[in-house]
Parts: sequence; C-alpha cells; structure tokens
Amino acid sequence: DIVMTQSPDSLAVSLGERATINCKSSQSVLYSSNNKNYLAWYQQKPGQPPKLLIYWASSRESGVPDRFGGSGSGTDFTLTISSLQADDVAVYYCQQYYNTPWTFGQGTKVEIK
Amino acid sequence: QITLKESGPTLVKPTQTLTLTCTFSGFSLTTRGVGVGWIRQPPGKALEWLALLYWDGDKRYSPSLKSRLSITKDTSRNQVVLTMITMDPVDAGTYFCAHIVGGGNSGYFDYWGQGTLVTVSS
Repeated sequence: DIVMTQSPDSLAVSLGERATINCKSSQSVLYSSNNKNYLAWYQQKPGQPPKLLIYWASSRESGVPDRFGGSGSGTDFTLTISSLQADDVAVYYCQQYYNTPWTFGQGTKVEIK
Repeated sequence: QITLKESGPTLVKPTQTLTLTCTFSGFSLTTRGVGVGWIRQPPGKALEWLALLYWDGDKRYSPSLKSRLSITKDTSRNQVVLTMITMDPVDAGTYFCAHIVGGGNSGYFDYWGQGTLVTVSS
C-alpha cells in the first residue's frame, strides 16, 4: 500500500496569512506515460462530507477559490492557502489514486490564530 | 447535477451483516470512465477507502477488508450496494459513497454523499 503522510497534523494561521500543508507518499504517484500525478486534496468541515479542492496534484476543481493551490510531483506535494479566510477552517486530506488501495493522509487541521 | 445519498441501518449488532445502498442521480454507471466508491470515517478519525465499482464492472476492494466486503450495482435503479459481513464495534463510523471521475479506471472523488452514521453495538 502507498502510505500518505501529512505534515503538520495541525496548524494555526492568522487571517490573511499563508497556510501550507505537506503530503508525502511512500512511493511515487507520478504515472510516466501521461506525466500526471495521481494526487487529490479534499477539505472537510465538521459534520460535512469531504469536498474536492485539487486533482492531478495541481488542477483546481471548478468553483474552488483561487487562494487554494496544489503543487509538487512524484512523492512530495503541497496544498497552499494563499490568504486564509475564516471559512477555510477545516481538516484537509490528501489522497492518492495511483493504485488501489487508494489511500488518504491522516489529515491536517487548520485553525485561526 | 450529480447527487448521491447513502441509506441503510444506523445500528447493527456485532457479527451481523451491514448493507448500505448508494442511490445516485445525474450520471450513469454505464458511462465510460465513471465509478462509485465507498469510504468510511470512524468518529474523529481519518478517511479510509473501502471499495469501488467502475462502469465496466471492474471492482476493487481494500485488501485489509476484502474478505468481508462486496460491492454490486443495479444500473436500472441507479444504485450501488456495499455489503460488509461480520461487523465489529471498530467498524462504527460514517460511511460515504462518492462519484469517481478521471478516466482509465482511476480517478478522484468529485461528488460525495452526506454520509450515513453506523453504530455497532449489542
């Protein structure tokens, strides 16, 4: 199984400041034949299902604010919230879909400082 | 507009079988590249992928749960059913179904149901 490890487990950021979440996979999720990273990011608020933010590591889902950005390749990925808003308080998960079993990171809780 | 909704028992006894139904609309499971997956989340814990079913009948299971899981589809009813045998209290949590897109029998979850909370207790 591909193990997804996120860091940090939690972080507190001031409103308007940048939040950075890292995700590391135990093996590469870059498929060489199409040069795509099989990596997605989700946001989950209490009592709600996860919401897709980013797919293919850096493609933003329709309707997602452009303050959310994904980057990285191979085994190391980053979700950046460029200017944290109160509505961004949530737990964020990365997930690989390179091969089954699909696996999620343990989650990163983002709070307001 | 794609929607999914999970339904099933909220309480099952240990050793019993759990049957959950995902009823969806806005897409067809006969469309190339489309799939439906099941994911669960114990209270306060992380997401865990369980199983998925693709448009062409391809089925995949979590290796750790494969012996206990079965996923089937009823295309005419727009439903996907997940069955888990021999339930244990550690299986308690919220169970989600989700639409998969991405092509090539891989992809990500772009639409999720609201989830259904399952308690396992005698």
